[in-house]
Amino acid sequence: AQRVTQPEKLLSVFKGAPVELKCNYSYSGSPELFWYVQYSRQRLQLLLRHISRESIKGFTADLNKGETSFHLKKPFAQEEDSAMYYCALSGGGGYQKVTFGTGTKLQVIP
Amino acid sequence: DTGVSQDPRHKITKRGQNVTFRCDPISEHNRLYWYRQTLGQGPEFLTYFQNEAQLEKSRLLSDRFSAERPKGSFSTLEIQRTEQGDSAMYLCASSPKRRVQETQYFGPGTRLLVL
Repeated sequence: AQRVTQPEKLLSVFKGAPVELKCNYSYSGSPELFWYVQYSRQRLQLLLRHISRESIKGFTADLNKGETSFHLKKPFAQEEDSAMYYCALSGGGGYQKVTFGTGTKLQVIP
Repeated sequence: DTGVSQDPRHKITKRGQNVTFRCDPISEHNRLYWYRQTLGQGPEFLTYFQNEAQLEKSRLLSDRFSAERPKGSFSTLEIQRTEQGDSAMYLCASSPKRRVQETQYFGPGTRLLVL
């Protein structure tokens, strides 16, 4: 079974402070990991995926297979980063069901 | 707007009534997904289509739920004999067919309230 855990429902940080949104997963094979974001009054959209190894809007995430984690990080939070963030997992290798975590609301305080 | 669209955006119904939702994916996207999202939870997978074939269904999808994608384009999700527990946001997403799991593009959702 595949499972995604986001332990924090709400994370409040001050503008300019570092951000780390935690994500741990459970999967026996080689997963594909994603971060999706939902800004206020907007639809859910992809932020980044681990196989791309890219930085989007200053966010990065590294897949740590030893710790089964895929934490999302940004060195300096901006007010426009305030949103709901969901970590998601797919079994990889073509279509596999995508499992989402419960989400973390990031609130950046001006 | 060439994104995923869903109709209606909101639906209020009485318990026991049937409801049907429609999803129009991004054109040329072979894959289409339905999710359900309740308050405080992430999207929960319901079912998946590749073209017109329904390839996977979650056990969350009871026999009161049925989904179709008759021509491999738009899809409908029908809930029969609605229950208050069916109240949720129903999300549709589409993606192109690739060797690896591709980015899913989500619609705005249909919010269902069962009274």
